[in-house]
Amino acid sequence: KQEVTQIPAALSVPEGENLVLNCSFTDSAIYNLQWFRQDPGKGLTSLLLIQSSQREQTSGRLNASLDKSSGRSTLYIAASQPGDSATYLCCKSNFGNEKLTFGTGTRLTIIP
Amino acid sequence: DAGVIQSPRHEVTEMGQEVTLRCKPISGHNSLFWYRQTMMRGLELLIYFNNNVPIDDSGMPEDRFSAKMPNASFSTLKIQPSEPRDSAVYFCASRPLAGVGTGELFFGEGSRLTVL
Repeated sequence: KQEVTQIPAALSVPEGENLVLNCSFTDSAIYNLQWFRQDPGKGLTSLLLIQSSQREQTSGRLNASLDKSSGRSTLYIAASQPGDSATYLCCKSNFGNEKLTFGTGTRLTIIP
Repeated sequence: DAGVIQSPRHEVTEMGQEVTLRCKPISGHNSLFWYRQTMMRGLELLIYFNNNVPIDDSGMPEDRFSAKMPNASFSTLKIQPSEPRDSAVYFCASRPLAGVGTGELFFGEGSRLTVL
């Protein structure tokens, strides 16, 4: 059974700090890995997607990396802002399998 | 494109009533997914379609749940009869078929269902 784990479940960080969110998976047969954020009462917004052939993707203050050999992806947020407060979920997609496996998410709070 | 569009955004109904949730995927996306999210169980995949054909409905909780995709631009998720334990946020998501493009998944804003 595929498992995707996100630890910690919750994280509080003072504004301005850089931070890393973690996503671990047990099956290295990966097609892509996608990071989402979810604000309370809202849908999931796609942040970054890393193809299996890539090692990282960047968008603004966000950088996502992928290490297939260790079964790990990280989302790096630079110079955190209160607006970054949300739940962040990673999602793994396998080759030949449309089933996407979501992590349980990390609830991030940026303290002003 | 307007993104994945879901309706209604909120639905409050009484136990035993029929509920129909609707989804319009992004134009050109051939894979459509229905998810359910609760605090206790997180995101659960209910069913997904490729080219309007249901591929895997093993996540559908029971026979009270049914989903259809009559064409490439419309899908419904029906619950009949509804029960209080069906209360959740139901999300629709779409993406191109696996192997086409990046495979990026896009979600709608969700339909929040409350069954009294």
